[in-house]
Amino acid sequence: EAGVVQSPRYKIIEKKQPVAFWCNPISGHNTLYWYLQNLGQGPELLIRYENEEAVDDSQLPKDRFSAERLKGVDSTLKIQPAELGDSAVYLCASSLAGTFNTGELFFGEGSRLTVL
Amino acid sequence: AQSVSQHNHHVILSEAASLELGCNYSYGGTVNLFWYVQYPGQHLQLLLKYFSGDPLVKGIKGFEAEFIKSKFSFNLRKPSVQWSDTAEYFCAVNEGGSYIPTFGRGTSLIVHP
Repeated sequence: EAGVVQSPRYKIIEKKQPVAFWCNPISGHNTLYWYLQNLGQGPELLIRYENEEAVDDSQLPKDRFSAERLKGVDSTLKIQPAELGDSAVYLCASSLAGTFNTGELFFGEGSRLTVL
Repeated sequence: AQSVSQHNHHVILSEAASLELGCNYSYGGTVNLFWYVQYPGQHLQLLLKYFSGDPLVKGIKGFEAEFIKSKFSFNLRKPSVQWSDTAEYFCAVNEGGSYIPTFGRGTSLIVHP
C-alpha cells in the first residue's frame, strides 16, 4: 500500500516569492491534515480536511497561507508571499474518517522549505 | 488549550541501556495517547497508542508506555536500546472525541554502539 506522498521534498526560495506543496493521501483516507514543524519542535496543526471541507483551519495564517482539497483527495498548501519565518518542514498526514478513525495519523516525508 | 510536555529534549545512551522518555499532558478529561517515532530521513510513524483498557501498552520494536491518569503522564520505555533506535520521539495527545492530536516538541535519542 502506498503511503502519503508529498512533493517537493525540498524547496529553496527567496522571500516574497510564492511556493506550493502538494500531498496525495493514502487511498480511502478521507481526513487530511497539514502540519508545520519548526526545527526542534513538534508538529503544529495548520488545517484539517474532512473530504473536501476544511473543518479546522483556525491555525492557518490566512493572510498568506491558503489550502485546497479539490475532489476530496489531493491537497495543495500555498504560501504567498513567503517570509523568512516560514522556513520549516510542512507535513501532510491522513487518516480514516469518522467511526473508522483510530486516531492514528499516517505522515508523508514532509516538504522542507528554506526562505532566503 | 491542550499542551504536551516532553521534558527530555536530548538523550544519549549506550547500547543495552534502559530508556525512559517522559510525557505529560494538561487535559483533565478523556484522552487518547500516542508515541510517534521519526528515524533519520524517514517519515513520522506510530510506535504505540493508548485508548482505553490496560494502561500498560506494548508497541513495536520492544517499546512500551504506561498511562498514569493521576499523573497525566504517558512515559515511553524500553529495557534495552539498540543503535537502530536512534531517532526523534514525539508524544501526542487527542482530547476524547477529537481527531486532532497535539504533539510535544520531541526528544532526540542517540544510541552509541
